[in-house]
Amino acid sequence: AQTIHQWPVAEIKAVGSPLSLGCTIKGKSSPNLYWYWQATGGTLQQLFYSITVGQVESVVQLNLSASRPKDDQFILSTEKLLLSHSGFYLCAWSPHWGSQNTLYFGAGTRLSVL
Amino acid sequence: GEQVEQRPPHLSVREGDSAVITCTYTDPNSYYFFWYKQEPGASLQLLMKVFSSTEINEGQGFTVLLNKKDKRLSLNLTAAHPGDSAAYFCAVSGGTGGADRLTFGKGTQLIIQP
Repeated sequence: AQTIHQWPVAEIKAVGSPLSLGCTIKGKSSPNLYWYWQATGGTLQQLFYSITVGQVESVVQLNLSASRPKDDQFILSTEKLLLSHSGFYLCAWSPHWGSQNTLYFGAGTRLSVL
Repeated sequence: GEQVEQRPPHLSVREGDSAVITCTYTDPNSYYFFWYKQEPGASLQLLMKVFSSTEINEGQGFTVLLNKKDKRLSLNLTAAHPGDSAAYFCAVSGGTGGADRLTFGKGTQLIIQP
């Protein structure tokens, strides 16, 4: 069975500080990977997606970046946090073949920027 | 591109009553439809994936209806219970697109009153 692990579970960071959030998928080779952001109030916004190692597509510009250093790993980062970065960050995966539009979400990281 | 409108944004029903959440979409070529449930503080859990070829889909305690003519997708919770209290999101995908083309509704906060 596939498992998706996000870390950390929660972060409290200062404005201007760096951030790195991680996501690992186990039990599935070559998954498509995604980062979503959920603001207070619930709207989901896709930030990045990746269909293969080293290749990341940006969907929304929020002064964030993403990288896929390994087949099973997706990293979200920024060098300088803004207040507007607060929210719930969700990593998700979908199969590369077949049901590639079915998303399975990780548990999420709750970020508070103060 | 695809636009998805989800109604209502908030819904409160008594335990044992039914609850209906509706999404309308714009792209007539949309082929896959999803409902996700998000319990308070938690991630999104896939409730059901619906194909455009099936109009009625039944799950445990709920029914999903797809009206392709009206481009409307609905989630009908029968005999709601406290465990149904959550946010619900619909998502719509084109036939050949991956999850990078998935469009989410803005969500419905459902509260089940005892």
